Amino acid sequence: EVQLLESGGGLVQPGGSLRLSCAASGFTFSNYAMSWVRQAPGKGLDWVSSISGGGGATYYADSVKGRFTISRDNSKNTVYLLLSSLRAEDTAVYYCAKDFEDAYYGVDVWGQGTTVTVSS
Amino acid sequence: NFMLTQPHSVSESPGETVTISCTGSSGSIASNYVQWYQQRPGSAPTTVIYDDSQRPSGVPDRFSGSIDASSNSASLTISGLKTEDEADYYCQSYDSSGLVFGGGTKLTVL
Repeated sequence: EVQLLESGGGLVQPGGSLRLSCAASGFTFSNYAMSWVRQAPGKGLDWVSSISGGGGATYYADSVKGRFTISRDNSKNTVYLLLSSLRAEDTAVYYCAKDFEDAYYGVDVWGQGTTVTVSS
Repeated sequence: NFMLTQPHSVSESPGETVTISCTGSSGSIASNYVQWYQQRPGSAPTTVIYDDSQRPSGVPDRFSGSIDASSNSASLTISGLKTEDEADYYCQSYDSSGLVFGGGTKLTVL
């Protein structure tokens, strides 16, 4: 069974940083792109970033480009999202997601999410 | 930028059939696959349709997806509605910039 378990969320002050982790199991991790999708309170789904199976290609939404960094460690079956220069509008539940193949085009399996709150 | 537009809400009675539309802003929606996700209150999303019309294992055949190139839209149809289908539904496609989600449609089964 494919499982994705996010961790690392919490309360952080504006301008601060946080690293989210997503531990994957139940599939050959390096064969699939992985993505992060967020959902602000009461709002819809918003794509944040994706990374290829080998980690050599990364993609970002314009709203987070230059502030967030996606990475992965295939030896640990884990994908990360480093959030920096955080703003109040980054407050959201962040979902880790497995893509259908080694290219971003859609989500196959979703994690349960980890909550990030940016507030002073 | 490419955008997907969905109705904010739809409602239908148990046992009936409902269709949720997803209209592309530019280009041809048929050029890239469309996925549909269900999100029940307080839960993470789950995938109910991928590659325009394919169902993941475990998704009942009451759920179906289609593309209408003439209206540049995708549709999710749920037949034999059950109260458990009450949820938010999101369409999703992609372009050279990344994944693109529709704004979501709240389905009420009353």
